[in-house]
Amino acid sequence: DAKTTQPPSMDCAEGRAANLPCNHSTISGNEYVYWYRQIHSQGPQYIIHGLKNNETNEMASLIITEDRKSSTLILPHATLRDTAVYYCIVRPPGNQGGKLIFGQGTELSVKP
Amino acid sequence: NAGVTQTPKFRVLKTGQSMTLLCAQDMNHEYMYWYRQDPGMGLRLIHYSVGEGTTAKGEVPDGYNVSRLKKQNFLLGLESAAPSQTSVYFCASGSGRGSYEQYFGPGTRLTVT
Repeated sequence: DAKTTQPPSMDCAEGRAANLPCNHSTISGNEYVYWYRQIHSQGPQYIIHGLKNNETNEMASLIITEDRKSSTLILPHATLRDTAVYYCIVRPPGNQGGKLIFGQGTELSVKP
Repeated sequence: NAGVTQTPKFRVLKTGQSMTLLCAQDMNHEYMYWYRQDPGMGLRLIHYSVGEGTTAKGEVPDGYNVSRLKKQNFLLGLESAAPSQTSVYFCASGSGRGSYEQYFGPGTRLTVT
């Protein structure tokens, strides 16, 4: 399984875009990049996932570099409620039991 | 549509006592999971199930047992609780089929004294 590297913490001003990087230099060609977040004391929440193309949904955008060795999760207009730990997870396709492997993540603090 | 619910929300046990944590989902998901999260750490998978009547070990299964008698329920048992099992326990469910999109419950805070 590809390993991921994320900065332990980041700050962002409220209303600005939050750009959270993730390095996955050993990713295989068929592995997906998933992002989850965990707001304090709550269960993790699925945000978005992608394979090669950039993806966007109502929560965020995911930008994956052409060589797929890194990606960036973008929260376009961060609010105080986006303060959370963000996890970047790389997983292979197919039936692996759907198991997630969580690392340490990035603790994002959105400040007024 | 309640999603994933967990019972109880909080529990304090003495060393050696037993208990069962209940997870229920109403999304008709095939896959269910139990994770634990210790302070300042990421989640670790304890056991999981890919369908009714099936279970499998995750990353940290020792000291726990599970059962999936009904598709919508996944039970986590501690037969003889130890202080090292003090943690927050999260249940999750997912449709499977190659997807890693999981829906998590609110967690159970367990303290073993």
